[in-house]
Amino acid sequence: EVQLEESGGGLIQPGESLRLSCAASGLSVSSNYMNWVRQAPGKGLEWVSVIYGGNSPYYSDSVKGRFTVSRDRSKNTLYLQMKNLRAEDTAVYYCARVRSVAGWNYYMDVWGKGTTVTVS
Amino acid sequence: SYVLTQPPSVSVAPGQTARITCGGDNIESKSVHWYQQKPGQAPVLVVYDNSDRPSGIPERFSGSNSGNTATLTVSRVEAGDEADYYCQVWDSSNDHYVFGIGTKVSVL
Repeated sequence: EVQLEESGGGLIQPGESLRLSCAASGLSVSSNYMNWVRQAPGKGLEWVSVIYGGNSPYYSDSVKGRFTVSRDRSKNTLYLQMKNLRAEDTAVYYCARVRSVAGWNYYMDVWGKGTTVTVS
Repeated sequence: SYVLTQPPSVSVAPGQTARITCGGDNIESKSVHWYQQKPGQAPVLVVYDNSDRPSGIPERFSGSNSGNTATLTVSRVEAGDEADYYCQVWDSSNDHYVFGIGTKVSVL
């Protein structure tokens, strides 16, 4: 069974840093494109970051320059390093596997349960 | 950047059909994907590539995409279909993933 499990969330003060982890089973995070998506309390889904093959990452404008996505093949784990956190970064953070239609037009077919980050 | 527009809410009686729209400029040129999210749970993919269903998703869930509007249709609505539904596309101009604001489906 394919599963993703996020961890590392917590209560943190503005300006501090935090690293989230996404441990995978049943799939290889190194062989798949992987997304981070977040959801602020009572709000909708917001894409945060994607990492493609060759470790090329992309970021939303709201986190670019502050967040860094990476992965560890040996631990089969995806990471999101978050720096200079702001109150508006408060959210549940999900990792998700990315799939494509005809090699582009990407979507997410497997999601973790999420980890909560509170910046206050 | 590309913008997706969804109605905030849709109400439907059990056994009837719910139609959730997702508007965007020439959205028919894009592939639209739909997610269901129940309270306190992670999103679940219910339709991808406009009209395809992942395994395990009931045939009651279907999708279409034409002109400036994509539509998720839920037939024979059940109480368990009550959830938030999000549409999503990939914006090739900047390699960003775009979500609609979500539509809350209430079963009367």
